Amino acid sequence: AQSVTQPDIHITVSEGASLELRCNYSYGATPYLFWYVQSPGQGLQLLLKYFSGDTLVQGIKGFEAEFKRSQSSFNLRKPSVHWSDAAEYFCAVTGTYKYIFGTGTRLKVLA
Amino acid sequence: DSGVTQTPKHLITATGQRVTLRCSPRSGDLSVYWYQQSLDQGLQFLIQYYNGEERAKGNILERFSAQQFPDLHSELNLSSLELGDSALYFCASNGGGTYNEQFFGPGTRLTVL
Repeated sequence: AQSVTQPDIHITVSEGASLELRCNYSYGATPYLFWYVQSPGQGLQLLLKYFSGDTLVQGIKGFEAEFKRSQSSFNLRKPSVHWSDAAEYFCAVTGTYKYIFGTGTRLKVLA
Repeated sequence: DSGVTQTPKHLITATGQRVTLRCSPRSGDLSVYWYQQSLDQGLQFLIQYYNGEERAKGNILERFSAQQFPDLHSELNLSSLELGDSALYFCASNGGGTYNEQFFGPGTRLTVL
């Protein structure tokens, strides 16, 4: 069955520290993978996506993600977190008509 | 601003009632997706429409229905409401392919008392 797992429900980091949010997926074919961010009271906004090619993809706001087929992972990273990055982050996979979202990781940033 | 609009922003109603949520997709987008976001269930895909036709169904209850009109706006109808239907309902749109980014509206917060 298709699924997305985000094992960390909450993550707290200090401003300026590096960040890695984990995402594991289960999908029978080549997946299309996405990371979205949801700020409080807002809808979701796309950070980056992976379809094929270079396994390291760059997104907006200084985020990047690496696709590792052998590990079925698509982890999101940022070298230096800013206070404005506090939000909820969702990993998603699709390949047909349905998007499957992970349960989200809520990021808290300490000043 | 994603270009997707949803009305109303907030809705408070009682159990057993029926409500209609409205979504206007981005200009030119043919596909509309509906999602339910609740604390215990996360973000759940409900249903997708493409150019007026239902294309995919997710975890949508039989008490819920949706349609997409010729002008491409969509409505999600929720009936016989239960306390557990309280959630944020999001609409998203794109050109049609799920490999394309989805643009999300700001959501409608439904509270069932």
